[in-house]
Amino acid sequence: EVKLDETGGGLVQPGRPMKLSCVASGFTFSDYWMNWVRQSPEKGLEWVAQIRNRPYNYETYYSDSVKGRFTISRDDSKSTIYLQMNNLRAEDMGIYSCTWGDGHYGWGQGTTLTVSS
Amino acid sequence: DIKMTQSPSSMYASLGERVTITCKASQDINSYLSWFQQKPGKSPKTLIYRANRLVDGVPSRFSGSGSGQDYSLTISSLEYEDMGIYYCLQYNEFPYTFGGGTKLEIK
Repeated sequence: EVKLDETGGGLVQPGRPMKLSCVASGFTFSDYWMNWVRQSPEKGLEWVAQIRNRPYNYETYYSDSVKGRFTISRDDSKSTIYLQMNNLRAEDMGIYSCTWGDGHYGWGQGTTLTVSS
Repeated sequence: DIKMTQSPSSMYASLGERVTITCKASQDINSYLSWFQQKPGKSPKTLIYRANRLVDGVPSRFSGSGSGQDYSLTISSLEYEDMGIYYCLQYNEFPYTFGGGTKLEIK
């Protein structure tokens, strides 16, 4: 059974950093590209970032709204991806989920980020 | 950015009815399209990827079709558990973009 387990969300002040993690199991993690997606009532579902796997040199891609502030990374030995989020803004609030594969074959349950002073 | 226009935005349908939801991309997305179902308080569940490939474990009453700019998700015979919000996603080109969703309710 495929499982994706996100952690690291919570309340953070504007301008502060936060790091999310997603631990995957049930598939050969190193074979797949991985994504972060967020959802908020204001913006709906929004793709945030992708990291490819070793054959693709671990290339990363970002939405314009997070480029330069967020960094996606992966540790294949731990079947884990990360999202380092810096200079957080109110508009970054939402539920952050990781998905696996270019087609987003499955989702985690999500972790909630609240940005407020 | 590629705009994904889903229709209808909401609908009511009867149990056993055939239901079709459509997604139109603002440009050709080469069948790089997935469909998701979301229930209240839950994360989305992937139903279809690459326009017409059913994810393992998804009931066969769900099917996807389309090419170019136009895609559809069909439920052949609606069941009660199919209530929820359905989304499409294009992953042909960055940034990947979602449709606005179709809320499906039982009549």
